[in-house]
Amino acid sequence: GAGVSQSPSNKVTEKGKDVELRCDPISGHTALYWYRQSLGQGLEFLIYFQGNSAPDKSGLPSDRFSAERTGGSVSTLTIQRTQQEDSAVYLCASSGGGQGKSFFGQGTRLTVV
Amino acid sequence: SQQGEEDPQALSIQEGENATMNCSYKTSINNLQWYRQNSGRGLVHLILIRSNEREKHSGRLRVTLDTSKKSSSLLITASRAADTASYFCATDFSGGYNKLIFGAGTRLAVHP
Repeated sequence: GAGVSQSPSNKVTEKGKDVELRCDPISGHTALYWYRQSLGQGLEFLIYFQGNSAPDKSGLPSDRFSAERTGGSVSTLTIQRTQQEDSAVYLCASSGGGQGKSFFGQGTRLTVV
Repeated sequence: SQQGEEDPQALSIQEGENATMNCSYKTSINNLQWYRQNSGRGLVHLILIRSNEREKHSGRLRVTLDTSKKSSSLLITASRAADTASYFCATDFSGGYNKLIFGAGTRLAVHP
């Protein structure tokens, strides 16, 4: 596609439920990032995929969070047993071609009630 | 912890004035980037400056980088109401791959 696509745009879930957030990066981009942004705050790094290398999971806040990237393209961020503090906008970005700059999706706004 | 720290946290100016935002970081970098965010959603890349560059221009934007002080500044000249947004710096560690770490951002309000 022309840009990074994230779905759903908004998600409301009950505390304790699992959620899956999807990211379709720009075709051909080898690097993919997930960030979390709480209201009025900066971007908190979660996880980074680069090609076929092992992902950098150093930013995942707990073992309830996991992410996969299948076939070097689409990525899914899964949050198990959601908590109210998980409420935030989850942003995905991709980069490639040696340009250095990243392209962001519009994010998924997650609300845990 | 955050790699980049922007200041000020918030900036309010009148149209036509210049806006300056600063960013400090902690470790060696490959490059430093500035992004803009409207309405708390996707970020848009503005400009990238490499560690061996000292100044870069793009339209009304001017970015400087001082690696000895581990700091950068973003200047927006002749600001417009449409420049109202949050601005973030992001650093690309010189650790072998371009993992981007963002600062907390500066919220800029430009009043007509």
